[in-house]
Amino acid sequence: DTEVTQTPKHLVMGMTNKKSLKCEQHMGHRAMYWYKQKAKKPPELMFVYSYEKLSINESVPSRFSPECPNSSLLNLHLHALQPEDSALYLCASSQEMGRAYGYTFGSGTRLTVV
Amino acid sequence: TQLLEQSPQFLSIQEGENLTVYCNSSSVFSSLQWYRQEPGEGPVLLVTVVTGGEVKKLKRLTFQFGDARKDSSLHITAAQPGDTGLYLCAGASEGTTDSWGKLQFGAGTQVVVTP
Repeated sequence: DTEVTQTPKHLVMGMTNKKSLKCEQHMGHRAMYWYKQKAKKPPELMFVYSYEKLSINESVPSRFSPECPNSSLLNLHLHALQPEDSALYLCASSQEMGRAYGYTFGSGTRLTVV
Repeated sequence: TQLLEQSPQFLSIQEGENLTVYCNSSSVFSSLQWYRQEPGEGPVLLVTVVTGGEVKKLKRLTFQFGDARKDSSLHITAAQPGDTGLYLCAGASEGTTDSWGKLQFGAGTQVVVTP
């Protein structure tokens, strides 16, 4: 299995809703990442988990809450989002953090906040 | 924060032509990666280069890492419509504590190859 699987592919949520994005990989990668990508922009790093511990939080607002229940799963819990949070949310993994390993990205979750 | 500058921002060519995309920085990178992204999908890794002066070939794609590890280029020979996409360079910096583990992306080059 050489994929990163993200669910759901599309999500529409109201500003008072609570929802979660899910990411799964079975490549034995020990680093997992959340990125946010707006239209016609490059991906922006949000969080990095290394060996299931949060290593980097790029000053992301607390309405985004990451969770890594085990080495294969990464979640992003969403609460009280704003319309400007609408974007493509990408999960990625790599063998290790801080090495010259390529990232494997999922197809993303297209989030629309209404 | 290290800045990766890509040029050109947009490139439209005919099938069969060659093209080159550039990625430049004032900072030294321990490695540099190239990705291609299609609309509504995640980026797909094309190559990782780690050694200054390194050249890697992937069929019609040639990747070069500058001797000083501050720049890279992607050259496509005889482009095909299937090469259409957003090409992103991304660098892992040489390691201040603050930047360790962060992959910095360039703004991307949108390539359109028409039949």
